[in-house]
Amino acid sequence: KQEVTQIPAALSVPEGENLVLNCSFTDSAIYNLQWFRQDPGKGLTSLLLIQSSQREQTSGRLNASLDKSSGRSTLYIAASQPGDSATYLCAVWAQNFVFGPGTRLSVLP
Amino acid sequence: DGGITQSPKYLFRKEGQNVTLSCEQNLNHDAMYWYRQDPGQGLRLIYYSQIVNDFQKGDIAEGYSVSREKKESFPLTVTSAQKNPTAFYLCASGGRTNSHNEQFFGPGTRLTVL
Repeated sequence: KQEVTQIPAALSVPEGENLVLNCSFTDSAIYNLQWFRQDPGKGLTSLLLIQSSQREQTSGRLNASLDKSSGRSTLYIAASQPGDSATYLCAVWAQNFVFGPGTRLSVLP
Repeated sequence: DGGITQSPKYLFRKEGQNVTLSCEQNLNHDAMYWYRQDPGQGLRLIYYSQIVNDFQKGDIAEGYSVSREKKESFPLTVTSAQKNPTAFYLCASGGRTNSHNEQFFGPGTRLTVL
């Protein structure tokens, strides 16, 4: 059964820092991996989708990489801002989406 | 304005009552999903539907029921058989299985059992 973990569970950084969030999955037979952002009490906002044949995707200050063979993905956030404070979730798609527990990010002014 | 809508935003239920959560999408997506989110836990799949008039159980389907009579709509009923229904419920839609399947989420419904 696919399991997804995310490290760290929580992260607090000063504004302007570059940071990396990690996502690991146990079964490399996936179709794609998606990163989401969730603000408190809100739904999930899609950030990046990486197909299984791709190595990375970029959107603005965000860059996500995928290494299927090792079961890992990283989300890189450049020049963090207080508005980036949220919970970040990764999800892998095989027969269905399986979500990680999320990383709660706080960016301090 | 395309997207996914869920209603109501907040819902209160007395024990023993059934309640229905609404989910509508105008993205022309074939697949729709219902998830439950509890504090400190990841999302767990309740039910999903890949096509009209067909749906499958997810990991925690007990105490829930769904219907998919229209492509745009996938309502979730929380029945009195669900032992611990207080949670945040999220609906999503996307492409069919085995395709480019980016998921998009609604704003959620917070259900509280009194």
